[in-house]
Amino acid sequence: AIRMTQSPSSLSASTGDRVTITCRASQGISSYLAWYQQKPGKAPKLLIYAASTLQSGVPSRFSGSGSGTDFTLTISCLQSEDFATYYCQQYYSYPPTFGQGTKVEIK
Amino acid sequence: EVQLVESGGGLVQPGGSLRLSCAASGFTFSSYWMSWVRQAPGKGLEWVANIKQDGSEKYYVDSVKGRFTISRDNAKNSLYLQMNSLRAEDTAVYYCARDSARIAVAFDAFDIWGQGTMVTVSS
Repeated sequence: AIRMTQSPSSLSASTGDRVTITCRASQGISSYLAWYQQKPGKAPKLLIYAASTLQSGVPSRFSGSGSGTDFTLTISCLQSEDFATYYCQQYYSYPPTFGQGTKVEIK
Repeated sequence: EVQLVESGGGLVQPGGSLRLSCAASGFTFSSYWMSWVRQAPGKGLEWVANIKQDGSEKYYVDSVKGRFTISRDNAKNSLYLQMNSLRAEDTAVYYCARDSARIAVAFDAFDIWGQGTMVTVSS
């Protein structure tokens, strides 16, 4: 199985900050990568698919980039509602696998 | 409104069985691969299984092969997960999720998720 490694595992940031989360795949996955946001007690929500395509209804402050093995999720101006845990997921090959998550906390 | 609603979770003893259901509404259920994804308490997400639009293809994560069976009833817009020989490590919130809309593509981003149903395996 392809291993997805996110960094950092957690970070503290303030409202208005620019935040970057990295996801690395153990082998090349082209652009078959998605990013999800999950708040406590809630289901994950799709933010970005195909590495850089914003899901409908997701604010434009979220952006994704990368291909192959290295990917980035950027939140350009952190809002209070963005404090959550973020997961990357590859769907290039069986089985689909997720990163371990990055928790974005309030500084 | 596009919606997935899971049910059937609960407390079960090790070695026991449970059947989860997921009711879909607001979209053409028969046009999508569908998946189950689970999340152990305080842990990350793990894909469990998926099933093709017509039920002819099914895939499972290795840890549940031979114990879990995914199925669907397109006439009832419903997805199921039969879980047998349950173990403590199967304890998790189980989510159903909408998968690929392409017949020949088994895996895609999960764009719609249910609220989840909790399964606890304990004596």
